[in-house]
Amino acid sequence: KAGVTQTPRYLIKTRGQQVTLSCSPISGHRSVSWYQQTPGQGLQFLFEYFSETQRNKGNFPGRFSGRQFSNSRSEMNVSTLELGDSALYLCASSLVAGGPGTQYFGPGTRLTVL
Amino acid sequence: AQTVTQSQPEMSVREAETVTLSCTYDTSENNYYLFWYKQPPSRQMILVIRQEAYKQQNATENRFSVNFQKAAKSFSLKISDSQLGDTAMYFCAFISTSGNTPLVFGKGTRLSVIA
Repeated sequence: KAGVTQTPRYLIKTRGQQVTLSCSPISGHRSVSWYQQTPGQGLQFLFEYFSETQRNKGNFPGRFSGRQFSNSRSEMNVSTLELGDSALYLCASSLVAGGPGTQYFGPGTRLTVL
Repeated sequence: AQTVTQSQPEMSVREAETVTLSCTYDTSENNYYLFWYKQPPSRQMILVIRQEAYKQQNATENRFSVNFQKAAKSFSLKISDSQLGDTAMYFCAFISTSGNTPLVFGKGTRLSVIA
């Protein structure tokens, strides 16, 4: 079974621009979660989607948004990029939402904001 | 709110030796899951081992085993016969079975395996 895929793998943007990252979960997985990883803050939860509905949201500004499609693929969008948004963005999928749903991670998208 | 603490920012071990990584957590929940993830320099986060809180038996996966002490809220990872490929960041993580809260990670322990 193919793992979680994320595109693109690397992105370079300038301040003020917006960016869209994509995540395709493992086949059959209906839950997708997004995390931001930085050296200073570690792994921080952004949001979780299950069956096209946002179930949980982390403590991030409204510039960060996401959505999930009927095929469980998910996108996250960051508008008006700031230097501090430079990070590794990880997507994880699981069969079910929360609880016993072990999360499997993709390779991440490395975003650099100049 | 749940918190996960990994008190060892960095550790090193020689090849073929055994090393134990510590993790403590704080929760008022009774039913939950605990995980160890490994993130090598390639940055891919890989599941190492998982423990259900309702199970008293400690989980094992080949050279990896855990020491789960529910009363003490402790969840350590033991790596036996360490290999160079075990060099990575190791993250301890917690999730409640209620499904209402996200996966919570510790800050990580950087493990270096030395030849």
